[in-house]
Amino acid sequence: AQSVTQLGSHVSVSEGALVLLRCNYSSSVPPYLFWYVQYPNQGLQLLLKYTSAATLVKGINGFEAEFKKSETSFHLTKPSAHMRDAAEYFCAVSASNQFYFGTGTSLTVIP
Amino acid sequence: EAGVAQSPRYKIIEKRQSVAFWCNPISGHATLYWYQQILGQGPKLLIQFQNNGVVDDSQLPKDRFSAERLKGVDSTLKIQPAKLEDSAVYLCASSFLTSGGPDTQYFGPGTRLTVL
Repeated sequence: AQSVTQLGSHVSVSEGALVLLRCNYSSSVPPYLFWYVQYPNQGLQLLLKYTSAATLVKGINGFEAEFKKSETSFHLTKPSAHMRDAAEYFCAVSASNQFYFGTGTSLTVIP
Repeated sequence: EAGVAQSPRYKIIEKRQSVAFWCNPISGHATLYWYQQILGQGPKLLIQFQNNGVVDDSQLPKDRFSAERLKGVDSTLKIQPAKLEDSAVYLCASSFLTSGGPDTQYFGPGTRLTVL
């Protein structure tokens, strides 16, 4: 069975500060991992995905994530937060043709 | 390229009433997904179609929820009768590949259902 845990349902950072959103997964088979962003009243948009190629994955809007098998983690980072990054972020795992989302992390950016 | 379309965007009904949601995926996408997203939670997969066949409906409450994708294109999700706990955003997504794997899902804007 697969599952995803996102540590911290709410994260606040100052504009220009480092963004770190945590995601740990559980999977009995090699997983594919995703980060999605959801802006208010909009659907989910793919930020990046890990597909067993490079462990450091670069996505849109300056985000990146690193797959660490030993830690079963796929944390999302961005060096410098912008106001427009304020949104809900979801980590997801896909394995054995099944797809599971985490409970989400709400990112607030303080001017 | 047009995105995933959903309608209506908002719906308010009373418990025990019926409701239907419509989804039109991105052209050429074989796989279609319906998710339920309750406030404060991540999306939960209800049903997954590949063309017009069901791939996974293990988390669909079949006593009240039904879904179809008759011609392998657009899809309808129905709730009959609705309960208070069905209040949620219902998201539709589609993807191009026809089998499991690192496939990107493209999401529609969702339908926000409120059951009173």
